[in-house]
Amino acid sequence: NAGVTQTPKFQVLKTGQSMTLQCAQDMNHNSMYWYRQDPGMGLRLIYYSASEGTTDKGEVPNGYNVSRLNKREFSLRLESAAPSQTSVYFCASSEIALAGGSSSSKNIQYFGAGTRLSVL
Amino acid sequence: QKEVEQNSGPLSVPEGAIASLNCTYSDRGSQSFFWYRQYSGKSPELIMFIYSNGDKEDGRFTAQLNKASQYVSLLIRDSQPSDSATYLCASITGTASKLTFGTGTRLQVTL
Repeated sequence: NAGVTQTPKFQVLKTGQSMTLQCAQDMNHNSMYWYRQDPGMGLRLIYYSASEGTTDKGEVPNGYNVSRLNKREFSLRLESAAPSQTSVYFCASSEIALAGGSSSSKNIQYFGAGTRLSVL
Repeated sequence: QKEVEQNSGPLSVPEGAIASLNCTYSDRGSQSFFWYRQYSGKSPELIMFIYSNGDKEDGRFTAQLNKASQYVSLLIRDSQPSDSATYLCASITGTASKLTFGTGTRLQVTL
C-alpha cells in the first residue's frame, strides 16, 4: 500500500518549458489536492478535485492547470514555467471532499513525498 | 492577515520538557483543526486533529481547542530530539475539505 505517489521527485526546467507532475493514490480516496510550499509561506493550495470529474481553483492557481484523469490520478501541468514556480509541490488526498461531518476523520489529508522543482 | 497564524520559531526546549505550540485562527467558521509534523525535506504527516472544545490526548501529544478565543495548541510531553521538526497547524472552514495552513513553527529539542 503505497499511499500517495508523486513523480518525478526532482526536476529542473528552463524558463518557458512545460511539464506535468503526476500524482496517484491507492487509498480509494475521492478528493485530491495540489499544494506548493515555499520558505516562509507555508503550504498553499493550487487546485483541488473534490471528486472524479471535478476540479476547482485554490489560493494560487495562476500558471497551472490540472487534470483528474480518474479516481486514482490527479496531474498538475505547468504550461510555460517561470522562476516564480520554483518550489516544492505536494499532492494530497482525502477520503471525502465535502465536510459533511466536518469532525470526520475522512477529512484527513495524506501527502505524497513531494516534487522539488527548480525553474532557471 | 493570514487565516491561520503560527509563530515561526524556532522554539527550543530541552529533552524531557513539555513543548507548547500555538496557533490562532481568524475565521470563526473554522470547524476542524489539524496538526501536521514535517521533518526537513519530507512531507507533512498528521499528528492529531481536533474539532471539539477542550483537550484531546494521544500518547505524548495533547491538542487543545478554544473556539471562543480562536486558538489551538499542541503540547508535546517528554520531548525527544526526534520531535525536532516543523509543526503545521491547519483548519477546515465551511463545507469543503480545503485545508488552510499556517506557516509552521520549528521546534528544536536540545540534549
